[in-house]
Amino acid sequence: EVQLVESGGGLVQPGRSLRLSCAASGFTFDDYAMHWVRQAPGKGLEWVSGISWNSVTTDYADSVKGRFTISRDNAKNSLYLQMNSLRTEDTALYYCAKGGANSGYYYGHFDYWGQGTLVTVSS
Amino acid sequence: QLVLTQSPSASASLGASVKLTCTLSSGHNNYAIAWHQQQPEKGPRYLMKLNTDGSHTKGDGIPDRFSGSNSGAERYLTISSLQSEDEADYYCQTWGTGINWVFGGGTKLTVL
Repeated sequence: EVQLVESGGGLVQPGRSLRLSCAASGFTFDDYAMHWVRQAPGKGLEWVSGISWNSVTTDYADSVKGRFTISRDNAKNSLYLQMNSLRTEDTALYYCAKGGANSGYYYGHFDYWGQGTLVTVSS
Repeated sequence: QLVLTQSPSASASLGASVKLTCTLSSGHNNYAIAWHQQQPEKGPRYLMKLNTDGSHTKGDGIPDRFSGSNSGAERYLTISSLQSEDEADYYCQTWGTGINWVFGGGTKLTVL
């Protein structure tokens, strides 16, 4: 059974940093791209960042480019999101999602989601 | 820029069928999409990938009541024999070089 479990969320002041983690199990982690998606309170889904299976390719939404960094540790089956210079508009539930494309492909749909970790940016 | 447009809301009666629409912006007819369901207070759940030829690949455990189809720039999700647990938000998603990953605004389905 595929499981994605996010952690690391919390209340943080504007301008500060936070690191999110996603622990993956139930599939061959290093075969798939992984992503972070966020959902502001009462809003829809917004893709934040993606990383290829081998970390060679990373991409970011314009709204977080230069402030957030995605990374992964295939030995630990873990995905991370380092969030710096946080803004109030970054307040959201952050989901980890597994890429659904065949092994080695970067672009594709998402076929599993975690339950999310809440990040609140407020003074 | 690729945009996915969904109606904000839809409703249908228990036991009936409903067809939700996701429209690709002009010039982007040839993109596959995926449908995701988000029940209240839960994380999203992958329903299916809908290819440009109309074929679809469902997620684990998704019942036959859920099906997908295409017409031009429109992508559809049809839910038949509606049940109370189908009341949820439904999002379409697409992806590709130069567009990265894009979600529609979501449709809130109410089961009457």
